[in-house]
Amino acid sequence: EADIYQTPRYLVIGTGKKITLECSQTMGHDKMYWYQQDPGMELHLIHYSYGVNSTEKGDLSSESTVSRIRTEHFPLTLESARPSHTSQYLCASSESSAGAKGETQYFGPGTRLLVL
Amino acid sequence: RKEVEQDPGPFNVPEGATVAFNCTYSNSASQSFFWYRQDCRKEPKLLMSVYSSGNEDGRFTAQLNRASQYISLLIRDSKLSDSATYLCVVNVVSTLTFGKGTMLLVSP
Repeated sequence: EADIYQTPRYLVIGTGKKITLECSQTMGHDKMYWYQQDPGMELHLIHYSYGVNSTEKGDLSSESTVSRIRTEHFPLTLESARPSHTSQYLCASSESSAGAKGETQYFGPGTRLLVL
Repeated sequence: RKEVEQDPGPFNVPEGATVAFNCTYSNSASQSFFWYRQDCRKEPKLLMSVYSSGNEDGRFTAQLNRASQYISLLIRDSKLSDSATYLCVVNVVSTLTFGKGTMLLVSP
């Protein structure tokens, strides 16, 4: 089982609120990722990080921001939530090594966000 | 054109059946390939990597055809517990691109 955790698991919140989705892993992985997935749709990469103080935007434009101050922690923040942000957010991590090991991503259980 | 395309299914098969899923990818620079499994309302989990020579893991066999940009997954002797969505995943430049997935429903 992967040691990667996300909180909260479910969040219902009103429009305009600031929210932070937490993601932590205890595997010592350098690489971490945030994906967004709507029901029946593919995962879209919204942010990733290759280590402390490194963050990059993914393929899907997102109004969220991330930070990587500690290796094990990669929180995602929405400054002002909107109904269009309603989705599932999945955090993942992987090793830095080359080859299949470094490419295998381990996912957290996800946060289901509903913005009213 | 989507980067990774899969038939969404669902594929409805009886227990013990053999079922095959296909996937095509558009970027010829893709470097590595995977099948992930995602259960309903759960996170994706790696099922197997796909190697150029083809590879097998128990009842699961994966094949890659780089010339046709095509990946396949064969499941033999299907079990009820195989019911899930199977995601075709491609690594282009150090990030993964996921297909929408193919849903498999195995019935008694």
